[in-house]
Amino acid sequence: DTGVSQDPRHKITKRGQNVTFRCDPISEHNRLYWYRQTLGQGPEFLTYFQNEAQLEKSRLLSDRFSAERPKGSFSTLEIQRTEQGDSAMYLCASSLGARGRGEQYFGPGTRLTVT
Amino acid sequence: QQPVQSPQAVILREGEDAVINCSSSKALYSVHWYRQKHGEAPVFLMILLKGGEQKGHEKISASFNEKKQQSSLYLTASQLSYSGTYFCGTPGSGNTGKLIFGQGTTLQVKP
Repeated sequence: DTGVSQDPRHKITKRGQNVTFRCDPISEHNRLYWYRQTLGQGPEFLTYFQNEAQLEKSRLLSDRFSAERPKGSFSTLEIQRTEQGDSAMYLCASSLGARGRGEQYFGPGTRLTVT
Repeated sequence: QQPVQSPQAVILREGEDAVINCSSSKALYSVHWYRQKHGEAPVFLMILLKGGEQKGHEKISASFNEKKQQSSLYLTASQLSYSGTYFCGTPGSGNTGKLIFGQGTTLQVKP
């Protein structure tokens, strides 16, 4: 079991550019979450997938954000027309869902810096 | 509703004990505890699923008081490796399993 992986680990982009992040969850986990964390704060929920279905999106997720989880395996989070306020750590987590106790395992995160 | 953690920060010497509290204004059905070191991802410590439940992990244990809508994390005989920021997470609305995290408690253990 290799745990949750995310790529890239760091991304520096200019304002207005599009960026895409990838998350590979633990293989048998059917639930996948994206969170965003800014300095000094706890992670904030962005969106949730059960298998390939995106079942909930936070109001924090503006129209510039889109996420997918094709085939219920890896997931991508895309941010279009990035703004400086998008600078944060983007964390992915996965869990077993109903078959488990609900604990979530986090990946190392992608740190986004928008200049 | 975001849970509230206290204290915001703790500085200890090795071997000392600490308690971190997490309280909610709404009914709690479970509490999740995580530790995050600087620049790293949160690491799962334990989950408490029942009122009154206490779980332990080495010298780190936790209790859950459903009536008081709060949980406490106990760190005994702290080690340097315990340094980091501790977050409690409580389930958000709906049945998605999403977590709402507190603002964190930063623990620094000094030699």
